[in-house]
Amino acid sequence: AQSVTQLDSQVPVFEEAPVELRCNYSSSVSVYLFWYVQYPNQGLQLLLKYLSGSTLVKGINGFEAEFNKSQTSFHLRKPSVHISDTAEYFCAVSLRNTGFQKLVFGTGTRLLVSP
Amino acid sequence: SQTIHQWPATLVQPVGSPLSLECTVEGTSNPNLYWYRQAAGRGLQLLFYSVGIGQISSEVPQNLSASRPQDRQFILSSKKLLLSDSGFYLCAWIQGVTEAFFGQGTRLTVV
Repeated sequence: AQSVTQLDSQVPVFEEAPVELRCNYSSSVSVYLFWYVQYPNQGLQLLLKYLSGSTLVKGINGFEAEFNKSQTSFHLRKPSVHISDTAEYFCAVSLRNTGFQKLVFGTGTRLLVSP
Repeated sequence: SQTIHQWPATLVQPVGSPLSLECTVEGTSNPNLYWYRQAAGRGLQLLFYSVGIGQISSEVPQNLSASRPQDRQFILSSKKLLLSDSGFYLCAWIQGVTEAFFGQGTRLTVV
């Protein structure tokens, strides 16, 4: 079965420091990969996605992620975080199953940015 | 443009009471619709999905049910809520293979 693992449940970081949020997946077939951000009591907003092509994907708000097929990873990075980046981040894989699309999410990583 | 509406935003219900959460989409027809639940420390779990009117598939056994009475309406229900039903519920519409749109979510607290 396909799964997504986000090993870090919480990542504290100081403002303007770099950050990396880790995501690993397992799948026997090709997948599409996504990172979503969730601000308190809100829905999910797409940060970036990997479909094909270049393994380095740039998204909104200065985030980027790199797809590593050999390590089955899709880590999210930002070179300098802001207080406003404090939120929960979800990695997800998209699978095609019996004619419909299914998003499988990791357990999320809470990014805490302090001054 | 495509939008997805979900309500209510917050809900506090006693154990044993019924539940009805509604989700509607605009700007599309025959969407694939999904209900996810986010429980504390457990990430987002897919509960139900629907590919058309009256077509519901359940991903996990639970105390909840879903219905699709109209093309752009998806309802999550329960006859008797349990404490374990507390969580944050998200409706989603997934278009094609890569586009997913989420509602603003409903924070349900069962007391």
